[in-house]
Amino acid sequence: EVQLLESGGGFVQPGGSLRLSCAASGFTFSNYAMTWVRQAPGKGLEWVSAISESGGRTFYADSVRGRFTISRDISKSTLFLQMNSLRAEDTAVYYCAKGGSYDFGDNWGQGTLVTVSS
Amino acid sequence: DIVMTQSPLSLPVTLGQPASISCRSSQSLVHSDGNTYLHWFQQRPGQSPRRLIYKVSNRDSGVPDRFSGSGSGTDFTLKISRVEAEDVGVYYCMQGTHGWTFGQGTKVEIK
Repeated sequence: EVQLLESGGGFVQPGGSLRLSCAASGFTFSNYAMTWVRQAPGKGLEWVSAISESGGRTFYADSVRGRFTISRDISKSTLFLQMNSLRAEDTAVYYCAKGGSYDFGDNWGQGTLVTVSS
Repeated sequence: DIVMTQSPLSLPVTLGQPASISCRSSQSLVHSDGNTYLHWFQQRPGQSPRRLIYKVSNRDSGVPDRFSGSGSGTDFTLKISRVEAEDVGVYYCMQGTHGWTFGQGTKVEIK
């Protein structure tokens, strides 16, 4: 059974940093691109970032480019999202999902809440 | 950038009746490899999203056959043949042909 377990969310002040993790199991992690999607309170889904199977290619939404960094540790089957210079508008539940754009989204994590506020 | 436009944004339905959600893209979603990477997701209240349909019309494992997807090019539709109470939630289309873009979401509720 595929499982994706996010962690690392919390409360942070504007300008602060957080690192999200997504522990994957139940599939061969190195065979799949991985994606982060977020959902602000009461709002729709917003694609944030994605990473290729090997980690050699990364992709970012304009709203986070230059502030967020996606990475993966294949040996630990874990996906990461380093978030710097956080803003109030980054407040959201962050989901990791299996797949890139072509095969996106057959499995999602339960999400982790990030709150940016002073 | 691709813009995905769903309609309606709110859809009150009667149990047992059909429902239909439209999704239009600002440009063709046909990839150079011949595939069309248009997917549909369901998000029930308080839950993570769940994929229902991939590449326009392919149902994911475990998805009831009352859900169907159709369309081509820039116009796509998700249909529920007979709405059940468990279908309440928000439905999103998403294109994966040119990066990633979600539609705004359509809230399905029971009348």
